[in-house]
Amino acid sequence: GQNIDQPTEMTATEGAIVQINCTYQTSGFNGLFWYQQHAGEAPTFLSYNVLDGLEEKGRFSSFLSRSKGYSYLLLKELQMKDSASYLCAVRDQDYQLIWGAGTKLIIKP
Amino acid sequence: IAGITQAPTSQILAAGRRMTLRCTQDMRHNAMYWYRQDLGLGLRLIHYSNTAGTTGKGEVPDGYSVSRANTDDFPLTLASAVPSQTSVYFCASSDSGTDTQYFGPGTRLTVL
Repeated sequence: GQNIDQPTEMTATEGAIVQINCTYQTSGFNGLFWYQQHAGEAPTFLSYNVLDGLEEKGRFSSFLSRSKGYSYLLLKELQMKDSASYLCAVRDQDYQLIWGAGTKLIIKP
Repeated sequence: IAGITQAPTSQILAAGRRMTLRCTQDMRHNAMYWYRQDLGLGLRLIHYSNTAGTTGKGEVPDGYSVSRANTDDFPLTLASAVPSQTSVYFCASSDSGTDTQYFGPGTRLTVL
């Protein structure tokens, strides 16, 4: 079967750096997405990786290793507004998105 | 309208009733999707449409139907609601089936 694993919950301090990991086993691979979802709101797109390596976008970076079935989202200079769930999703061989259950990130002052 | 809208925002429904969740986008995206989101689970695809006039089944299609009469609208119908359909429903769209998906604000549905 297809599976996306990410930690259920993480806690970090304002101003610090946090890394959220995602491992996947899917039928084929056509890209990996990270979305942010604040409580009670819709998921919003953060990043997309299809080739190995690091993609940087401001305070957020996303890394992909296809051979290891592994990605991480790195958040720097954490702000209270970064408290949210972070969803990892992989596009499989049929171009359907397979979603992880999400990582709830709690930021403490 | 800017982006994707969904209606209603929330709804409480008696089991056995018929319900249609509405989704409209103004981005002229070809592809549209319906997901449900349950606590502790990832988003699960119910139905999708790659272009107006075509639809397909996702991971959890049973008990749901969709239609895509035009580019902008993609309603989701529960023919006879059951309590296990209590969930938050998100509509999404993308320019094509291979592009980034953008989500509507969601509908919170409770079936009693």
